[in-house]
Amino acid sequence: RKEVEQDPGPFNVPEGATVAFNCTYSNSASQSFFWYRQDCRKEPKLLMSVYSSGNEDGRFTAQLNRASQYISLLIRDSKLSDSATYLCVVSYNTDKLIFGTGTRLQVFP
Amino acid sequence: DVKVTQSSRYLVKRTGEKVFLECVQDMDHENMFWYRQDPGLGLRLIYFSYDVKMKEKGDIPEGYSVSREKKERFSLILESASTNQTSMYLCASSLLFAGDVYSNQPQHFGDGTRLSIL
Repeated sequence: RKEVEQDPGPFNVPEGATVAFNCTYSNSASQSFFWYRQDCRKEPKLLMSVYSSGNEDGRFTAQLNRASQYISLLIRDSKLSDSATYLCVVSYNTDKLIFGTGTRLQVFP
Repeated sequence: DVKVTQSSRYLVKRTGEKVFLECVQDMDHENMFWYRQDPGLGLRLIYFSYDVKMKEKGDIPEGYSVSREKKERFSLILESASTNQTSMYLCASSLLFAGDVYSNQPQHFGDGTRLSIL
């Protein structure tokens, strides 16, 4: 079983839609969580950290459920520019990050 | 803004060649990482370094070595390139983890080097 699992997608949604991605992690010792965004043929970039209480950044909301060992990312009012691959990332209180293989989002007009 | 610079965007080499990939960061980060990214497999850690001359193996170190002689520079070496090392290689850097659950530092990536071994 992979340490971090994501639905690869693609998720094809119209502009203005709300879309949610889930990610599950296998190690209950995981302590830090992030969402990264990767555009086609570009490097990953940090989108947001995920805190226990959940957090929001504009149209993006991240949630953590430790009991079920999953994190989620909600995107409201999708824009064409949101089209990318979203990587779920966890860490076990070390300097190393464990990356999921990513969920591809395609927003169409 | 953190800047991580990789020496080449595209590189083509032949089987058996010794290949050097260079990475430089300008934010005085302690940690530096080398990953490869392949379709369906995601990012896999090859090696990382948390200080000058220090290195640790990642998940897939076989066929690779690294060098960190200066804090800002981390080199990945393919000792004898093989076709299964054709991949996208990504360098990243981060501040040192401070031991607090809220202080895991995000990693900042370079643009990547798309390496083809013929």
